Amino acid sequence: EAGVAQSPRYKIIEKRQSVAFWCNPISGHATLYWYQQILGQGPKLLIQFQNNGVVDDSQLPKDRFSAERLKGVDSTLKIQPAKLEDSAVYLCASSTQGVGSPLHFGNGTRLTVT
Amino acid sequence: DQQVKQNSPSLSVQEGRISILNCDYTNSMFDYFLWYKKYPAEGPTFLISISSIKDKNEDGRFTVFLNKSAKHLSLHIVPSQPGDSAVYFCAARALDGNMRFGAGTRLTVKP
Repeated sequence: EAGVAQSPRYKIIEKRQSVAFWCNPISGHATLYWYQQILGQGPKLLIQFQNNGVVDDSQLPKDRFSAERLKGVDSTLKIQPAKLEDSAVYLCASSTQGVGSPLHFGNGTRLTVT
Repeated sequence: DQQVKQNSPSLSVQEGRISILNCDYTNSMFDYFLWYKKYPAEGPTFLISISSIKDKNEDGRFTVFLNKSAKHLSLHIVPSQPGDSAVYFCAARALDGNMRFGAGTRLTVKP
């Protein structure tokens, strides 16, 4: 089974610029997550999709972050404008439905904002 | 909002000995607990999980113990191998599917 694909792997931008990340989940996984992992911390949920609907975006800074899941498959996460504190690894994960279903993570995109 | 805590940022053990990684949580509504392993430049990989109705789950060298009254879980690796060297994240899942992670413990297994 192919894993969760993310691109790009690395991105360096200046503050106030915009950036977009792409994620392709495991085929058949209805639930898709975007996590932000700052160095030395655990992953923090930004947004959770169930098919193409948003389940939880309570921790998404909506003034600068946006995300969509096109046709319930691929997803993009955008930051506009970026701030220095947005420097982190952005992880996409997917899972099947079910309380005990583990998340399958992609390798992440490391964003550096200068 | 630290509902899941891993108080030891690092742990070093000798190859062949037992590794014990600890995790505490504050939210009694969590009903599933998971451990993930992360190598550098890779995403976390699922390792083992336990339902809140159980107190132990074993999978090969890995065993997770859950103490609900103390809101504490631990991961035991025995025997530890150098390839187990990684960052281990504890995670807890609520009924709404929201999964919260601890800050991680870096395990180093010395040959």
